[in-house]
Amino acid sequence: EIVLTQSPATLSLSPGERATLSCRASQSVSSYLAWYQQKPGQAPRLLIYDASNRATGIPARFSGSGSGTDFTLTISSLEPEDFAVYYCQQRSNWPRDTFGQGTKLEIK
Amino acid sequence: EVQLVESGGGLVQPGGSLRLSCAASGFTFSSYDMHWVRQATGKGLEWVSAIGTAGDTYYPGSVKGRFTISRENAKNSLYLQMNSLRAGDTAVYYCARDYCSSTSCYGMDVWGQGTTVTVSS
Repeated sequence: EIVLTQSPATLSLSPGERATLSCRASQSVSSYLAWYQQKPGQAPRLLIYDASNRATGIPARFSGSGSGTDFTLTISSLEPEDFAVYYCQQRSNWPRDTFGQGTKLEIK
Repeated sequence: EVQLVESGGGLVQPGGSLRLSCAASGFTFSSYDMHWVRQATGKGLEWVSAIGTAGDTYYPGSVKGRFTISRENAKNSLYLQMNSLRAGDTAVYYCARDYCSSTSCYGMDVWGQGTTVTVSS
């Protein structure tokens, strides 16, 4: 099973700041990596697929990068609605996907 | 409007069974691979099962032999039959649509609101 490790577990930032979230895979997943945002009481929302492609309707301040085992989700300038939990998901072993444990982005 | 609505969750005793349903609307259900994903309270996401457009099914080791995913395209519905339930199966269960091309699947782009399953005596 491919294990995804996200860091940091919690990230405390202020609106307007830049957020950088990391996801590391235990083995190469090529570019088959997605990112999701989840707010309390809500289902996850797809943000990024294939490591760097924004899903429909996702603002340009969200960007993804990386390949192989190291990936990054960047939010260029945090808006109040961006504070949430973020998960990465590997799809290289589709459909036996695995998720990272999540990074909580909280307001400083 | 593209929508998934789960139902069927509830309280069940260890060893019991439960059948979850997911009603799809606003898209051609038969053309999409579908998944069940669960989330225990305060925990992360765990993939539970998947079914392809041809009815092929997939499970992780944690539920294989206990859970069965199925679909009924004529009713635009997805199901999850859960048997031999354990306390560790307690979670919110989401159904999700897979966003795929002819060559690859990219991510789960539509999710339901979730249904809660509690396994306890």
